[in-house]
Amino acid sequence: DGGITQSPKYLFRKEGQNVTLSCEQNLNHDAMYWYRQDPGQGLRLIYYSQIVNDFQKGDIAEGYSVSREKKESFPLTVTSAQKNPTAFYLCASSPGTGYGAFFGQGTRLTVV
Amino acid sequence: DQQVKQNSPSLSVQEGRISILNCDYTNSMFDYFLWYKKYPAEGPTFLISISSIKDKNEDGRFTVFLNKSAKHLSLHIVPSQPGDSAVYFCAASEYGGSQGNLIFGKGTKLSVKP
Repeated sequence: DGGITQSPKYLFRKEGQNVTLSCEQNLNHDAMYWYRQDPGQGLRLIYYSQIVNDFQKGDIAEGYSVSREKKESFPLTVTSAQKNPTAFYLCASSPGTGYGAFFGQGTRLTVV
Repeated sequence: DQQVKQNSPSLSVQEGRISILNCDYTNSMFDYFLWYKKYPAEGPTFLISISSIKDKNEDGRFTVFLNKSAKHLSLHIVPSQPGDSAVYFCAASEYGGSQGNLIFGKGTKLSVKP
């Protein structure tokens, strides 16, 4: 089945540790995105990538890093520099104009 | 400064009646608008979209209306069903959505009561 897979669904990490969230898609979409959702907030864009080996910062990129070595994969690393990392993280991909974005099931990260 | 605003955090509607969810935006460069539905602990699912060249788009029970002069759009669900209970996000983008970096509102939680 085609889709976007985020893993794991729940992730716990100690404060000060880096952690990488996985996002894989088999939809052959060029564009991929990472959003963060906090209670009472909309989805805020962290990073996006329009094409392999290229990515841009979104509105809240500080403390995060990404890579786009393959079309199918867009992992997000939450670094120790991110001041408030506990959140629900959503990965999305898009085939282009007029289709919006298709989302994965999300990863809930809790830093203790 | 919020570019996309959903001023009603929640809405309660009786089954079978119409649900109207509203969204306002401030950026006149937005030309593509979408509505997403989201259940707790799941990713949003795309519902319906509208380009700025249109003022209405329909898909089954869902209709989106766009009023560009007022920078306002609304999602109508008729008739509302209990399974429609979820958080609905309005989103907007420039360049016809080609760059995909959508700007989301904070969401409206819809409760449809049997």
